[in-house]
Amino acid sequence: AQRVTQPEKLLSVFKGAPVELKCNYSYSGSPELFWYVQYSRQRLQLLLRHISRESIKGFTADLNKGETSFHLKKPFAQEEDSAMYYCGLSYNQGGKLIFGQGTELSVKP
Amino acid sequence: ETGVTQSPTHLIKTRGQQVTLRCSSQSGHNTVSWYQQALGQGPQFIFQYYREEENGRGNFPPRFSGLQFPNYSSELNVNALELDDSALYLCASSLTVNTEAFFGQGTRLTVV
Repeated sequence: AQRVTQPEKLLSVFKGAPVELKCNYSYSGSPELFWYVQYSRQRLQLLLRHISRESIKGFTADLNKGETSFHLKKPFAQEEDSAMYYCGLSYNQGGKLIFGQGTELSVKP
Repeated sequence: ETGVTQSPTHLIKTRGQQVTLRCSSQSGHNTVSWYQQALGQGPQFIFQYYREEENGRGNFPPRFSGLQFPNYSSELNVNALELDDSALYLCASSLTVNTEAFFGQGTRLTVV
């Protein structure tokens, strides 16, 4: 069965520190992986998707099929990065998303 | 260009009742997906509609049903409400089935 696991519910770092939000998935085919972000009082929005290989707001994520991981990284965290982050998997090319439980990132000054 | 809008924003219902939630998709989008997000959890896929036809369903019982209209707006209906149905219900629209999903603000349903 398809599943997405985000092992950390809360990640707290200081401004300027590196950040890595972990995401592991299980899927037998070729999934499409995403990271969505939800800032306080805002709607869920796409941060990045692995097929585009973009860097958005300084965040990057590399799909590691061997480790079935799609960790989100940023070298220097900013206070405005504080938000809920959800890793998502899309299967059957249908855009139907399976989400992890989410990780709350708190960046302290 | 207007975004995805959902109504109502909040709703309180009694166990056993029925509820209808509404979603207006973003202009030009023909695909709508619905998700249930329980407190402290990630969104769970309920079903997707593409051009007025159901195009996939998650692990939800038949009392969760939906519709998509010719203007691509959508409804989520839940019959025989249970306490565990209390959650945030999210609607997301996409240009088509395999493109970026744009989410609405959600409807907070409380079943008492």
